[in-house]
Amino acid sequence: EDQVTQSPEALRLQEGESSSLNCSYTVSGLRGLFWYRQDPGKGPEFLFTLYSAGEEKEKERLKATLTKKESFLHITAPKPEDSATYLCAVRISSGSARQLTFGSGTQLTVLP
Amino acid sequence: SAVISQKPSRDICQRGTSLTIQCQVDSQVTMMFWYRQQPGQSLTLIATANQGSEATYESGFVIDKFPISRPNLTFSTLTVSNMSPEDSSIYLCSVEGPGGTDTQYFGPGTRLTVL
Repeated sequence: EDQVTQSPEALRLQEGESSSLNCSYTVSGLRGLFWYRQDPGKGPEFLFTLYSAGEEKEKERLKATLTKKESFLHITAPKPEDSATYLCAVRISSGSARQLTFGSGTQLTVLP
Repeated sequence: SAVISQKPSRDICQRGTSLTIQCQVDSQVTMMFWYRQQPGQSLTLIATANQGSEATYESGFVIDKFPISRPNLTFSTLTVSNMSPEDSSIYLCSVEGPGGTDTQYFGPGTRLTVL
């Protein structure tokens, strides 16, 4: 069974304190791994897509990396506006399946 | 990316009634997806809606409870039927990006509370 596990469940950082969020996955075949940001009461906002081990993507203070078993979302010098829930999702490569399987998310709070 | 709108944004309903949620996209898309996000939980796929064919439901979700329509390439509806308090959730629609990209883009969600 395809599984996506995110850790930690919650993370509190001081402004400027860099850290990483983890997404580990067990799937039959990975077609893509996706990171989203979700603010309270809103739909997920797309951040990154990663396809192969060793790939990295960056956007402002965020950098996503991918290995064969996990992905990391690195947050450098975070600001309070980075506070949100960060979701990881995978799409498997078998057959015609196009749906995403989501992890439970990491709730990030950045304190000023 | 695609711009997606949903109606209503939120609603409070009585047990036993039904609610239809609309999802409108600003471009033509082949597949649309409906997800449920229960309080404090992550997203769970309800069904995939392909224009011109019956929706495909995930394990644990049935058409009688969550009928879906997909009349054209920019619009879909999800109905939550015979509601109970356990149906209180955020319901989200999503579409794949233009050009058949794997990335899915999400609407703002419909927050449903069932009393």
